[in-house]
Amino acid sequence: GQNIDQPTEMTATEGAIVQINCTYQTSGFNGLFWYQQHAGEAPTFLSYNVLDGLEEKGRFSSFLSRSKGYSYLLLKELQMKDSASYLCAVLDSNYQLIWGAGTKLIIKP
Amino acid sequence: IAGITQAPTSQILAAGRRMTLRCTQDMRHNAMYWYRQDLGLGLRLIHYSNTAGTTGKGEVPDGYSVSRANTDDFPLTLASAVPSQTSVYFCASSRTSGISNEQFFGPGTRLTVL
Repeated sequence: GQNIDQPTEMTATEGAIVQINCTYQTSGFNGLFWYQQHAGEAPTFLSYNVLDGLEEKGRFSSFLSRSKGYSYLLLKELQMKDSASYLCAVLDSNYQLIWGAGTKLIIKP
Repeated sequence: IAGITQAPTSQILAAGRRMTLRCTQDMRHNAMYWYRQDLGLGLRLIHYSNTAGTTGKGEVPDGYSVSRANTDDFPLTLASAVPSQTSVYFCASSRTSGISNEQFFGPGTRLTVL
C-alpha cells in the first residue's frame, strides 16, 4: 500500500530552527509537495521537489532523497505565525497526490 | 471571485438527505479535485476531473458523485448522507493534472451528518 509518515506534533521556540521529516512509500514518484495549513483554513502551497537536493525559499527549505524515500521541511527564524500544520504529499504514478496526516507545529515564545 | 469558492461554509444534515456541495474557480484551471479531511488522517481524494467533461474516482468515492459540465464548476453530491460522511470537504484546482502543478484549495465546507 501507499504510506506517508510524519510526526504528529512538534514544538519549537520563536526564533529557532525546526526540521519536519517525511518518509514515504508510494506506487511511483512524480514529486513531493509541502503545504501549510493554519487551523480552520485551507492548505496553501509551500514547496515542490522532484530532484534530489535542497530547495531554498526564504525562511523555508525543503530537501528530498528519492533513494531513501525521505524529505524534510526546514523552517528558520521561527515566528509565531508559523504555528500551523505542515502537510507532506507525494504525486504517485497516476499523478494523484497521496497525503500524510500532517505535523502540527507549536511555536512557543 | 478570486480563486476558488465553496458553498456552503458549513452544514448540518440529517442522515438520508441529499446534499450538493458547490465549488467554483475563476482561474481557468483544467483540473479540479474533491478531498475530505478527517482528524488524524491525511487529505483523501474523493473524485477528480482532469478537464471539463471528464471525471474520475479517487481513493474514497463511495457515496459521492460529481459532474464537470464546464471549466469553472465542480459540484459534489451526497445522494443519501450517512454519519461517516461527517468531515471537512475541500475543493482544489490545478492548471493541469500533470507533474509539478500545485493545487489551490477552497476554504472548505464543514459537514455534519446526524
